[in-house]
Amino acid sequence: DAMVIQNPRYQVTQFGKPVTLSCSQTLNHNVMYWYQQKSSQAPKLLFHYYDKDFNNEADTPDNFQSRRPNTSFCFLDIRSPGLGDAAMYLCATSSTGGVYNEQFFGPGTRLTVL
Amino acid sequence: AQSVTQLGSHVSVSEGALVLLRCNYSSSVPPYLFWYVQYPNQGLQLLLKYTTGATLVKGINGFEAEFKKSETSFHLTKPSAHMSDAAEYFCAVTGGSYIPTFGRGTSLIVHP
Repeated sequence: DAMVIQNPRYQVTQFGKPVTLSCSQTLNHNVMYWYQQKSSQAPKLLFHYYDKDFNNEADTPDNFQSRRPNTSFCFLDIRSPGLGDAAMYLCATSSTGGVYNEQFFGPGTRLTVL
Repeated sequence: AQSVTQLGSHVSVSEGALVLLRCNYSSSVPPYLFWYVQYPNQGLQLLLKYTTGATLVKGINGFEAEFKKSETSFHLTKPSAHMSDAAEYFCAVTGGSYIPTFGRGTSLIVHP
């Protein structure tokens, strides 16, 4: 089945220790998104790739970076995690080649910062 | 510009009762509307969507929603709640942009 995969599902890191979260997709969608979701809140868009073009949300901290080496993979790098970065991180994809732009989500990575 | 308002951060129902989750939207162009469900420690899963055509759309797990342009609403309903329906529900709109705008979410609580 075509899907969006996130690894790891759970990540524990120490304050200030860099961490990388990964996302892969078999849908061949051209848009990939990273969201941060804190408890009982809506997902907050951090950035997205439209094909190879990177689009950063204005309020995304510089501490967050992303890479998309090819269509299938996208990475979220947190350079110096703080306690406030503990959250669920969701990867999603969509295709602008279709009409409706519905998003397909991965299962998420729950990040704990000690 | 587009926005979504979900009335009620929490909705509590008894098992077997009607579920009604409210969503109102604004969009400067004809909208595409979505309902997603999120179970604990999981990603969002599409329940149903309205694009064009029939205004009453049916989704998975017995849910349906009706697009009412005059009321700018897209409320989600299910005739009979099940314990397994307990989850977070998000309404979203796209229109003129491929990036959706999400509502704040409604937590559905189902009592035995």
